[in-house]
Amino acid sequence: GENVEQHPSTLSVQEGDSAVIKCTYSDSASNYFPWYKQELGKRPQLIIDIRSNVGEKKDQRIAVTLNKTAKHFSLHITETQPEDSAVYFCAAIAAGTASKLTFGTGTRLQVTL
Amino acid sequence: EAQVTQNPRYLITVTGKKLTVTCSQNMNHEYMSWYRQDPGLGLRQIYYSMNVEVTDKGDVPEGYKVSRKEKRNFPLILESPSPNQTSLYFCASSLWGSDEQFFGPGTRLTVL
Repeated sequence: GENVEQHPSTLSVQEGDSAVIKCTYSDSASNYFPWYKQELGKRPQLIIDIRSNVGEKKDQRIAVTLNKTAKHFSLHITETQPEDSAVYFCAAIAAGTASKLTFGTGTRLQVTL
Repeated sequence: EAQVTQNPRYLITVTGKKLTVTCSQNMNHEYMSWYRQDPGLGLRQIYYSMNVEVTDKGDVPEGYKVSRKEKRNFPLILESPSPNQTSLYFCASSLWGSDEQFFGPGTRLTVL
């Protein structure tokens, strides 16, 4: 089955700096890669996603890149703000697995003033 | 308001006492799923359902049961809870053909 690895497990950046979180996946059939943000005590919220036919997607300060050959995808947050502090999860869905999300283990992002 | 709801939100129980965590969605989604979240392990799928009366195991199904008698409801049943089932549980749903999943608010379960 699919295996998703995520790094780093914790990341501390100063406000205004950029943050990058990286994930690798194992199943070459995976074709959907969402990123979730989870604030303390809250549910995971989808912040951006990308499909395997696209190499990059942007939404204001966040972007996701996908390298299908290397089987990795990354989340980029620019101009970080304190409200970006949260745990971020990458995930993957492989084609033919009935929308089964396989999650990475999460990255705790701390944006300091 | 389109949403996924779970009840209870918090539950403390004892080993062996059967419990049910309910999940309901009002978006007419075909697909529903249960995940458990544990520190350092991310979210792992317990069971999923592609439609009414269609359920299947996820990655960590041992000790859990589910049912899907109605499209909107997908309860998670722990027939004989054990301490290793202490966790944060999330229900999620999505429209068939769309991979975007919507999560419920979570249920924090403690089994003593």
